[in-house]
Amino acid sequence: GQQLNQSPQSMFIQEGEDVSMNCTSSSIFNTWLWYKQDPGEGPVLLIALYKAGELTSNGRLTAQFGITRKDSFLNISASIPSDVGIYFCAGPLPYGGSQGNLIFGKGTKLSVKP
Amino acid sequence: DGGITQSPKYLFRKEGQNVTLSCEQNLNHDAMYWYRQDPGQGLRLIYYSQIVNDFQKGDIAEGYSVSREKKESFPLTVTSAQKNPTAFYLCASSRSYMNTEAFFGQGTRLTVV
Repeated sequence: GQQLNQSPQSMFIQEGEDVSMNCTSSSIFNTWLWYKQDPGEGPVLLIALYKAGELTSNGRLTAQFGITRKDSFLNISASIPSDVGIYFCAGPLPYGGSQGNLIFGKGTKLSVKP
Repeated sequence: DGGITQSPKYLFRKEGQNVTLSCEQNLNHDAMYWYRQDPGQGLRLIYYSQIVNDFQKGDIAEGYSVSREKKESFPLTVTSAQKNPTAFYLCASSRSYMNTEAFFGQGTRLTVV
């Protein structure tokens, strides 16, 4: 079945550091979404991307829709403690059904360096 | 405030029992979804509904059932046929079935005891 591969699986951040993560697929996607999930809560939509090459920012977050349409990148600048959580990429199934039927990567877990 | 409300937050079930998870939205969204999340995993689609009185199976529908009698409500029943029901269940909605931006509720953690 369709899979989204997120990298890295986990990372530790120190306050003030920039963070980068990515998501790749073997299939072309027309939309890329980035969500953040805090423990025990539902995911919250951070950024939506609709066009290949598109670069979109939301505060300290910047996401890019890869030119090949098979990948997307999320950057967090000057990280702060509340950035910890799990970041998921998601995209709509490329065939049939509802456009809202999303497949999700397994997430990148951000933790604070001890 | 507009949003999606899931209840209860925590649910315990004995083996062999059916249990129903509630999901209500006041966003006037046509489409609603149920996802299951296991530790260290992404979300997997159980059922979706594009419009009231309609619903379709997702990737892991076995052992689950849903109804969509009202636009704002999309309850999920976890039946005794679901072999491994302990998980975190998330309900979501989007403006229409053509709209990819799904908004999630806060989740229900189901534990089988």
